[in-house]
Amino acid sequence: AQSVSQHNHHVILSEAASLELGCNYSYGGTVNLFWYVQYPGQHLQLLLKYFSGDPLVKGIKGFEAEFIKSKFSFNLRKPSVQWSDTAEYFCAVIPYSGAGSYQLTFGKGTKLSVIP
Amino acid sequence: DAEITQSPRHKITETGRQVTLACHQTWNHNNMFWYRQDLGHGLRLIHYSYGVQDTNKGEVSDGYSVSRSNTEDLPLTLESAASSQTSVYFCASSASRLSDEQYFGPGTRLTVT
Repeated sequence: AQSVSQHNHHVILSEAASLELGCNYSYGGTVNLFWYVQYPGQHLQLLLKYFSGDPLVKGIKGFEAEFIKSKFSFNLRKPSVQWSDTAEYFCAVIPYSGAGSYQLTFGKGTKLSVIP
Repeated sequence: DAEITQSPRHKITETGRQVTLACHQTWNHNNMFWYRQDLGHGLRLIHYSYGVQDTNKGEVSDGYSVSRSNTEDLPLTLESAASSQTSVYFCASSASRLSDEQYFGPGTRLTVT
């Protein structure tokens, strides 16, 4: 079964620090990749997604992610975090299974705390 | 604006009772999903549906059931609630099975005592 690994459970940064959250997946075929964010007390919302083309994708609020196929990775980055980025971040994968059933598999999440 | 709503937002029930959580979307999406979110596990798929009368089991479907009688609604039923089912439940919908983002509801916090 495919899996999604997020390396950091909890990351604490000061405002203006740079952020990189790691994500690796186990599926060997073609995949669609997503990063979702969950702000405190709110539902999940999409940050960015990758389907094909340029492996560097830009999302909302200054976030970007780079797909490195050889490393099965899709790391999330932001050059300078703000207090309002405090949230939980989830990496997710949909594989091309060819069977018509496409299930979104989530990583366990990384909690980001930004200190003012 | 289109939206996805869940009710109730909070529920406390006793072990052994049947519980139904409602999910309603106005996106007119064919695809609907139920997830549970637990600390240390992220989100795990319970059941999903690709259209009316279609239902499929996800990763953690034991003890849960769904039915899809129309496009807008996918209620989740816990047949006999157990303490292990204490969790936050999220409903989601999407237009495409493969490529579209999923839109999530606000969640239902369920406590089984």
